[in-house]
Amino acid sequence: EDKVVQSPLSLVVHEGDTVTLNCSYEVTNFRSLLWYKQEKKAPTFLFMLTSSGIEKKSGRLSSILDKKELFSILNITATQTGDSAVYLCAGGLGGGSNYKLTFGKGTLLTVNP
Amino acid sequence: DGGITQSPKYLFRKEGQNVTLSCEQNLNHDAMYWYRQDPGQGLRLIYYSQIVNDFQKGDIAEGYSVSREKKESFPLTVTSAQKNPTAFYLCASSTTANYGYTFGSGTRLTVV
Repeated sequence: EDKVVQSPLSLVVHEGDTVTLNCSYEVTNFRSLLWYKQEKKAPTFLFMLTSSGIEKKSGRLSSILDKKELFSILNITATQTGDSAVYLCAGGLGGGSNYKLTFGKGTLLTVNP
Repeated sequence: DGGITQSPKYLFRKEGQNVTLSCEQNLNHDAMYWYRQDPGQGLRLIYYSQIVNDFQKGDIAEGYSVSREKKESFPLTVTSAQKNPTAFYLCASSTTANYGYTFGSGTRLTVV
């Protein structure tokens, strides 16, 4: 059974702290690892990782994939209250007509002023 | 503006009634997906479709039905056979080129 496990499930920090969110996966026919941010309704895309060891960055956010250990992390530096959200990790599996994403349960991040 | 539109945003139904959730996209994406989100459960796949007139069951398809008569549209029917239909439903689409999803804003269904 395909599985994506995120940790921690919730996290409370103060503004300015650095956080690391974890995602481990066991999926067949792995294609990609994706991170999304969900504030109220629709998840918004953050990163897609396909190659091991290559860090992707966007402002204060960065992510890296380890395909040997089946693991990914999402780092957020100098956190702000606007970073408060649920962060979803998903494993992309299959290809062509069988492609789909399997999601973890998410990490609820709360950033207090 | 291209995107995915889900309607309605909120829906209330009495137990035992079927209800259909709408999902329309103008992104020219081939693939469309329906997920259900419950508190503490993450997103769980209900049905997905890669081409018109074809769709596959996801992990929790029981009590749901879909159709894909047009590339732009992928409606989800929640039938009376679904034991716990109250949830937040998200529709998504993707091309086969980049494998990322674009999500709609969701429909919150409450069955009383």
